[in-house]
Amino acid sequence: KAGVTQTPRYLIKTRGQQVTLSCSPISGHRSVSWYQQTPGQGLQFLFEYFSETQRNKGNFPGRFSGRQFSNSRSEMNVSTLELGDSALYLCASSLGPAGGENIQYFGAGTRLSVL
Amino acid sequence: KQEVTQIPAALSVPEGENLVLNCSFTDSAIYNLQWFRQDPGKGLTSLLLIQSSQREQTSGRLNASLDKSSGRSTLYIAASQPGDSATYLCALNDYKLSFGAGTTVTVRA
Repeated sequence: KAGVTQTPRYLIKTRGQQVTLSCSPISGHRSVSWYQQTPGQGLQFLFEYFSETQRNKGNFPGRFSGRQFSNSRSEMNVSTLELGDSALYLCASSLGPAGGENIQYFGAGTRLSVL
Repeated sequence: KQEVTQIPAALSVPEGENLVLNCSFTDSAIYNLQWFRQDPGKGLTSLLLIQSSQREQTSGRLNASLDKSSGRSTLYIAASQPGDSATYLCALNDYKLSFGAGTTVTVRA
């Protein structure tokens, strides 16, 4: 059974550009959550989608957005990139809504560098 | 706001020694707690999930305990090996994962 797949693995962008990251969850999983990992702030929650609906959102500016498709694949978009957006972006999938008994499984991440 | 603390930030042990990793949290009304491992530049690998109604969970050489009253969880790794070298993170799981900063473990051959 394939794990969580994130594409691309690496991205280099310049300030002001926008970027789209993709996450394919484990087959059968309906929840996808996104996290940002930086050396200074650690792992921070961005948002979670379940059955194409955003259930929860972290404390990030509106430049960060996401969506989920009917096949549970999810995309995250960051507009007007800033240097501080350089980070490892991780997505996690779970069978049911995040929380409770549902174990979250992570992908390998997308490393975004903003120059 | 849930605060999760992991001390120490780093630890180095000789091969064969047992590892004890600590995680403390401020809110005892937790749902469950998950332990992860992260290798440099990689994603997170789920190790164990302890539900709030459980006191411990075991998988192979790993054992994790949960004491809600004191706001603590401990991950024990028996007979450490160089392949256990990684950063270990604990996270409280309600609608999102609230992570500690992690403990970076080095097992010396």
